[in-house]
Amino acid sequence: EVQLVESGGGLVQPGGSLRLSCAASGFTFSSYGMNWVRQAPGKGLEWISYISDSSTTIYYTDSVKGRFTISRDNAKNSLYLQMNSLRAEDTAVYYCARGGTVDYWGQGTLVTVSS
Amino acid sequence: QSVLTQPPSASGTPGQRVTISCSGSSSNIETNTVNWYHQLPGTPPKLLIYSNNERPSGVPDRFSGSKSGTSASLAISGLQSEDEADYYCAAWDDSLNGWVFGGGTKLTVL
Repeated sequence: EVQLVESGGGLVQPGGSLRLSCAASGFTFSSYGMNWVRQAPGKGLEWISYISDSSTTIYYTDSVKGRFTISRDNAKNSLYLQMNSLRAEDTAVYYCARGGTVDYWGQGTLVTVSS
Repeated sequence: QSVLTQPPSASGTPGQRVTISCSGSSSNIETNTVNWYHQLPGTPPKLLIYSNNERPSGVPDRFSGSKSGTSASLAISGLQSEDEADYYCAAWDDSLNGWVFGGGTKLTVL
C-alpha cells in the first residue's frame, strides 16, 4: 500500500523557516518524481514544487522561487521542503504527492505563519 | 485566480447525472492530459480520473472524464449522497512548468 506521511509543520513567525518532510513507503520511491502541493484554509489546491526521481529536474511555482527548496533522499525514501522567509500567505496544509501523475497524496501537515 | 476555470458549485438529486467543466488553454489542457480529484472536508484529495478518462482501481464507473481542445469535463452518473465533495481538475502547464489546478467545484447532492 502506498503511504506518504508528512511532518514538520507548525506555527512560525513571518520571516521564519521550517523544513517539511515526507516519508514514503509501499512503492519504489527512487523511481518516481514527487510534488509538494498546498491548500490555504478554505481555498483550492496550489502546486508549488516538483522534483524528478534522480533530482536532476526541479520546478517551482513563481511565488516560492528563491524561498523554498525541494530535495529528496532516495536512500531514506524521503522528500523534503525547506521553507525560508515565510509569509502569512504561505499558511496552508502542505501535501506531498507522488509522481508525474500526482496520484497518491499524504494526509498533509499544517503550516501557520503568524506573529 | 486559478489557471484552470471551474464552476464554483454544482448540484443534483440522487440518481441524476451531473457534469463539471474545466476550461484551460493551449499550454495545459490542450497539450497535456487532465486529472480529476475529489476531496472531502479535512481529507487529502483523491485521484478520480487520470489521463483524461482513465479510472484508478477502485473508482466506480459512474465517474467518467472527457477532453476536447482546451476544455475537459467530469461526469458523474447515478449521483449518490456520498458524492457530495469538492472536485478539482488539474493538468501540467508547459508554459509555467508546473501543475495547474482549477479553483474547485463544490458538488451538493440535494
